[in-house]
Amino acid sequence: GAVVSQHPSRVICKSGTSVKIECRSLDFQATTMFWYRQFPKQSLMLMATSNEGSKATYEQGVEKDKFLINHASLTLSTLTVTSAHPEDSSFYICSARDRSGTVHQPQHFGDGTRLSIL
Amino acid sequence: EDKVVQSPLSLVVHEGDTVTLNCSYEVTNFRSLLWYKQEKKAPTFLFMLTSSGIEKKSGRLSSILDKKELFSILNITATQTGDSAIYLCAVVPLYGQNFVFGPGTRLSVLP
Repeated sequence: GAVVSQHPSRVICKSGTSVKIECRSLDFQATTMFWYRQFPKQSLMLMATSNEGSKATYEQGVEKDKFLINHASLTLSTLTVTSAHPEDSSFYICSARDRSGTVHQPQHFGDGTRLSIL
Repeated sequence: EDKVVQSPLSLVVHEGDTVTLNCSYEVTNFRSLLWYKQEKKAPTFLFMLTSSGIEKKSGRLSSILDKKELFSILNITATQTGDSAIYLCAVVPLYGQNFVFGPGTRLSVLP
């Protein structure tokens, strides 16, 4: 089945550091990838939609200069949390949709990255 | 604004019990509804529902959609401790690519 690999799975770093999270589709091409944020005991909150070769579309309230998204190829999207602060600590999950399918298909999720800013 | 509501938000049962999880939604131009199971990491896909009244079944899990009443249920029979997870319901609007997720139901199955 479709596999999405997300790396790293866990990051602990000091305030002010920038952190890059990678999301790769391993056995399919993904024209669209999604980045979610999940707080403890809460549901997934969509942050942005990443389209290959174009600028990401950010949800209302998400700072695009804070959360930089790059989708340079059909199999890789990256999320960079710039100058991270403790309030950025959260669980970040990416997902991807198979290019060959329609928008009707379910998203395939990565295993998530737990980010802790000290 | 598109919205998905799930109930209950939390549920504790014992092994062998049957549970029903609810998902209601408001969405402009509905396309499909999906159920996911999330344990410690990524949500895993369970069902995708597009038509009313057609039950989807996978082992002890089953789900059905009522597009007239705008809700879906997920049933789990003979629950096991491995069913403990957060169950997420998501709705896909007809236009656009985004999924709208509900808050999830946290199910705990005790031995």
